[in-house]
Amino acid sequence: QLQLQESGPGLVKPSETLSLTCTVSGGSISGTGYYWGWIRQPPGMRLEWIGSIYYDGSTYYSLSLKSRVTISLDTSKKYFSLKLRSVTAADTAVYYCARGPDAFDIWGRGTVVTVSS
Amino acid sequence: SSEVTQPPSVSVSLGQTASISCSGDKLGDKYVCWYQQKPGQSPLLVIYQDRKRPSGIPERFSGSNSGNTATLTISGTQAMDEADYYCQAWDSGSVVFGGGTKLTVL
Repeated sequence: QLQLQESGPGLVKPSETLSLTCTVSGGSISGTGYYWGWIRQPPGMRLEWIGSIYYDGSTYYSLSLKSRVTISLDTSKKYFSLKLRSVTAADTAVYYCARGPDAFDIWGRGTVVTVSS
Repeated sequence: SSEVTQPPSVSVSLGQTASISCSGDKLGDKYVCWYQQKPGQSPLLVIYQDRKRPSGIPERFSGSNSGNTATLTISGTQAMDEADYYCQAWDSGSVVFGGGTKLTVL
């Protein structure tokens, strides 16, 4: 069965770039009809969609984060990645990767990222 | 996608029916799904495409979506249903989450 696993640094300094990877196992990352998304949740707060990437590389980003976000897909290595530039303390959150299309039916366990000097 | 709004909290007596609303401009024209999230856990999809249940989700969970409001209904609410519930709208690749509703089972 398909599983997703987030990985990356748990601590990032302000103004630097947050980089996370989501590894897909137990299934295909290049199947048509699926989006692969990143969602985050600051402590005690709501879920926030960051962006999604389609199997063909098409990307969709939250308007509020669009200027700082890049999501990419590596189908040969079965992972997709998130880069969030110029981070501040407001970017501290649990970051989840998940599979679409219109609803995220499979989620990773999430990874905590803290922005602090 | 535009904003979607949920009540911060809903209370329901054990065994009764709980309804959680999600409001947004022309929400009925978009696909809406619902997630259940318990403390320390990843969200769990309980309703997708307005009213469909994923495999393994109990029949007591149902959904509807029309006009500007989508509704998640939990019939015969059980203690295990106490959680945060989030609606999510999808429109041409763009996603927006509601603010979440804390469901308390009395």
